[in-house]
Amino acid sequence: GQQVMQIPQYQHVQEGEDFTTYCNSSTTLSNIQWYKQRPGGHPVFLIQLVKSGEVKKQKRLTFQFGEAKKNSSLHITATQTTDVGTYFCAGQPGTYKYIFGTGTRLKVLA
Amino acid sequence: EAGVAQSPRYKIIEKRQSVAFWCNPISGHATLYWYQQILGQGPKLLIQFQNNGVVDDSQLPKDRFSAERLKGVDSTLKIQPAKLEDSAVYLCASSLWGGEEQYFGPGTRLTVT
Repeated sequence: GQQVMQIPQYQHVQEGEDFTTYCNSSTTLSNIQWYKQRPGGHPVFLIQLVKSGEVKKQKRLTFQFGEAKKNSSLHITATQTTDVGTYFCAGQPGTYKYIFGTGTRLKVLA
Repeated sequence: EAGVAQSPRYKIIEKRQSVAFWCNPISGHATLYWYQQILGQGPKLLIQFQNNGVVDDSQLPKDRFSAERLKGVDSTLKIQPAKLEDSAVYLCASSLWGGEEQYFGPGTRLTVT
């Protein structure tokens, strides 16, 4: 079946270091969304990428969609303690449903 | 703007019992999703409604799970009978239309003993 994998599963960084999580789909995607889930909370939408090779920035966060529309990445520059949480990508392979990735749990050490 | 509402927030039941969850999406949102999130995993789509029609329920265990969205607004998800492996957080989300930003509710944490 269709799968969306993320690496790494866990990442511990010192505050101020950079962080990157990678998302890989077994099938071509129509679009991809990124969500952040704080411990004990629910997923919160960060961004959606639609075009092949698209790059979007939100302050310290940079999102990329691969040329083949099968992979994506999220890069955080100079992490802060407020960045703690689990980051999920969610890919839409067709018209309707989204398949969530396995998630990357980020811990930031002050 | 009010967010997605879910109730109850927590539920503890014994295996073989039944349970129901309720979700009220953001007003005007045509698409409603029910996800199951097991601890340490990503949300798994159980069922997706477009207005009051089902567009995907391929991962819904239909022998025990059922869901409805009457009048294209709020929705209920039922489990009958529950199994131990149903212990999870059940998340409801809505979006203006399929393929757009999803807004999640706080979830219902179900524990089956």
